[in-house]
Amino acid sequence: EAGVAQSPRYKIIEKRQSVAFWCNPISGHATLYWYQQILGQGPKLLIQFQNNGVVDDSQLPKDRFSAERLKGVDSTLKIQPAKLEDSAVYLCASSLEYLLAGEGYEQYFGPGTRLTVT
Amino acid sequence: AQTVTQSQPEMSVQEAETVTLSCTYDTSESDYYLFWYKQPPSRQMILVIRQEAYKQQNATENRFSVNFQKAAKSFSLKISDSQLGDAAMYFCAYQETSGSRLTFGEGTQLTVNP
Repeated sequence: EAGVAQSPRYKIIEKRQSVAFWCNPISGHATLYWYQQILGQGPKLLIQFQNNGVVDDSQLPKDRFSAERLKGVDSTLKIQPAKLEDSAVYLCASSLEYLLAGEGYEQYFGPGTRLTVT
Repeated sequence: AQTVTQSQPEMSVQEAETVTLSCTYDTSESDYYLFWYKQPPSRQMILVIRQEAYKQQNATENRFSVNFQKAAKSFSLKISDSQLGDAAMYFCAYQETSGSRLTFGEGTQLTVNP
């Protein structure tokens, strides 16, 4: 079974530029998550999708970050314009359907995209 | 809001020895899930072990086991017979309900010495 795919693996941009990250979840996983992991910290959820609908985006800086999940499969996370403090690893994860059967479904993580803003 | 605290930024252990990583959390919920994730330098987050709060029995997975103290809101990870491949950053994580966000601690960097 293929894992969660992310691209690119690395990206370097200048502040005020825009950048986009792509994620392809595990086949059949209805729930998709984007986490931001700043160096030396644990990951923090930015946005959670159930199919193509948003479940939780309470910690997404909506003035500069946006995300979409068209057709309930692949997802794109965009930053425009980027700031120095956006330098981080962006992790995508997926799991089986949110709140199904009351079990704590494992979240499977991709390899992440390391973003450096100069 | 739920918080997760890992008070040990770094730990080291000799190969074949046992090490315990600490984690405490804060929540007002009675049902929830707790996890330990391993993150090697490749950045791939890998699930090590999971504990459901309604289960009194501590979870075990081969050389990995937890000491879950619900009243104390403590969730430590014990690694027995440590191997060089266990070296990584370990994160404790809390999940309020199935499929909801994971709230992570700051992580503990584990070094395994040969």
